[in-house]
Amino acid sequence: EPEVTQTPSHQVTQMGQEVILRCVPISNHLYFYWYRQILGQKVEFLVSFYNNEISEKSEIFDDQFSVERPDGSNFTLKIRSTKLEDSAMYFCANPKGASGGYTFGSGTRLTVV
Amino acid sequence: QKEVEQDPGPLSVPEGAIVSLNCTYSNSAFQYFMWYRQYSRKGPELLMYTYSSGNKEDGRFTAQVDKSSKYISLFIRDSQPSDSATYLCAMSQSGGSNYKLTFGKGTLLTVNP
Repeated sequence: EPEVTQTPSHQVTQMGQEVILRCVPISNHLYFYWYRQILGQKVEFLVSFYNNEISEKSEIFDDQFSVERPDGSNFTLKIRSTKLEDSAMYFCANPKGASGGYTFGSGTRLTVV
Repeated sequence: QKEVEQDPGPLSVPEGAIVSLNCTYSNSAFQYFMWYRQYSRKGPELLMYTYSSGNKEDGRFTAQVDKSSKYISLFIRDSQPSDSATYLCAMSQSGGSNYKLTFGKGTLLTVNP
């Protein structure tokens, strides 16, 4: 089955620093999502991205967050000035299409200290 | 009332037992229902995807949806130690490729040999 690849697997950063999380989606997919999961909490929707534009974002996805497709294949999630409460697992995902559901990446664990 | 509620467990069963996992929801607009399995610090993996009310079976797994009661279930027959994981229910208002998921908090299952 096609995979969604995320790097790094673990990132530790100091509060106030910028972080960039990277994802290589299933090739040729136009739809793309970012979710996050704070330890012990639900997986939460952050943003959906379609054809190089944000199509929907949650209230979590404030001005500190941005998503880009810098080179036509990779996707990035940038947090400009990290806060302690940004510590979480961040997952990117592609929809599976007709068969339903998503393929999730293995996630990036972000720790803000 | 939370949009999706799921008993977090933990649930511990002996190998070979039948496992029943459940979620309730409040938003009657949800039409598509999924179950994901998540191993520790990994991305969710799709197990079952169903549309509207009814049953769906795939090997040892059976998903049931009762929209009138806003209640979904996942049954695992002949449970194995390898089934030990966190099981997440998820649902969406639309299908295809452009939709966001709303997750339950997950139920931690341990199957003891």
